[in-house]
Parts: sequence; structure tokens; C-alpha cells
Amino acid sequence: KQEVTQIPAALSVPEGENLVLNCSFTDSAIYNLQWFRQDPGKGLTSLLLIQSSQREQTSGRLNASLDKSSGRSTLYIAASQPGDSATYLCAAMDSNYQLIWGAGTKLIIKP
Amino acid sequence: NAGVTQTPKFQVLKTGQSMTLQCAQDMNHNSMYWYRQDPGMGLRLIYYSASEGTTDKGEVPNGYNVSRLNKREFSLRLESAAPSQTSVYFCASTPLGGWNAFFGQGTRLTVV
Repeated sequence: KQEVTQIPAALSVPEGENLVLNCSFTDSAIYNLQWFRQDPGKGLTSLLLIQSSQREQTSGRLNASLDKSSGRSTLYIAASQPGDSATYLCAAMDSNYQLIWGAGTKLIIKP
Repeated sequence: NAGVTQTPKFQVLKTGQSMTLQCAQDMNHNSMYWYRQDPGMGLRLIYYSASEGTTDKGEVPNGYNVSRLNKREFSLRLESAAPSQTSVYFCASTPLGGWNAFFGQGTRLTVV
């Protein structure tokens, strides 16, 4: 059974720093890996989707990578800003086309 | 564009009461989903509807029922609420042939 883990559960960094959020999964048979952002009291917003055949995707200051062989994905945020403060969730789409979710990393960017 | 709309946003129920959570999307998406989110855990799939007229159980379906009323609407019903169903519920939709999921703002449900 696919399991998705995000460590750490929380992270606090000063504004301007580059940072990496981690996501690991136990079964490499995935269709894609997706990263979402969740703001307090709000729904989830899709950030990046990496197909299983791809190694990375970029959107603005965000870059997500995927290494199926090691069961890992990372979300790199460049030049962090206070507006980046949110909870970041990753989800792996399994062989049944269902998303299996990590518990998220709560990110705080200190001004 | 409203996207995915959930109602209500907040609800408090007494144990044993019933209620229906409503979800509607205006993006002409084929598939719709209901998830629950509990502290310290990832989202868990309750039920999904791959297309109008079909529904299937997800990981945690016990205590819930769903109805895909039409292509736009997918409702979640709690017949006899229990404290273990206290959670935040999210509705989501995906387009035909696409995997990007769009989420509603969530319903925070407390069962006392």
C-alpha cells in the first residue's frame, strides 16, 4: 500500500532564504506526483504536477523534482517571502488513479 | 469562475443527527471527490465519482453516503453523525483526461 511521508512537519526560515521541502513515497509505481499549497481556512491550490516520466517541473520561484527510484520528491522555493507561509502537501497518484497524501509541512517565513 | 463551491463552511452536529454536505463545480469536470482532513494526517478519500452516474468507495467510506446528482453536483451525507466524523471535509474535481485537482474551501464539521 502506498504511503506518503513529509518531513519535517513544520519549518521556520528567515525571509529571502532558499529552502527545500521533502516528500517520500513507498511505491515507485506512480502516475504522477503533485504539490499543493493550503492556506488556513482555505482549500488546496495546485502548485506543480510532475508526470512519472518527468524529472522536474518549474513555476516561477518553485521547482519540483521527482526521483522514482529513490521514492522522493522535493519542492524547492527560491528567495522565500512571507507570502509563501502556508502548509505544503504532496500527493502521489497510485495505480488506481487515486491521490495518496502526505500530512504536509507547515512553512513559516519570518520577515 | 466560482470553481468548486462547498456548503456549509461550518457545522456543529449532535451525535446521531444527519446532514448533507453540498458540492458543486462549474468547470464541466467529469470526476468529483470527497476527502476528509484530520490533524497530523494526509487527506483521506471517502468516496469519488469518476463520471456522472457512477460512485465508488474510497479509503474511509464507513458512515457516509454520496449522490452524484448531475455532472455539476456531488453531495456527501452523514446519516447518523459520530464524534469520530469531526473533521474538515473537502470536495474536489478533475477534468476528463486531466489530473490537476481543484478543491473547494472545505467544511469544518464538529460532532458533539
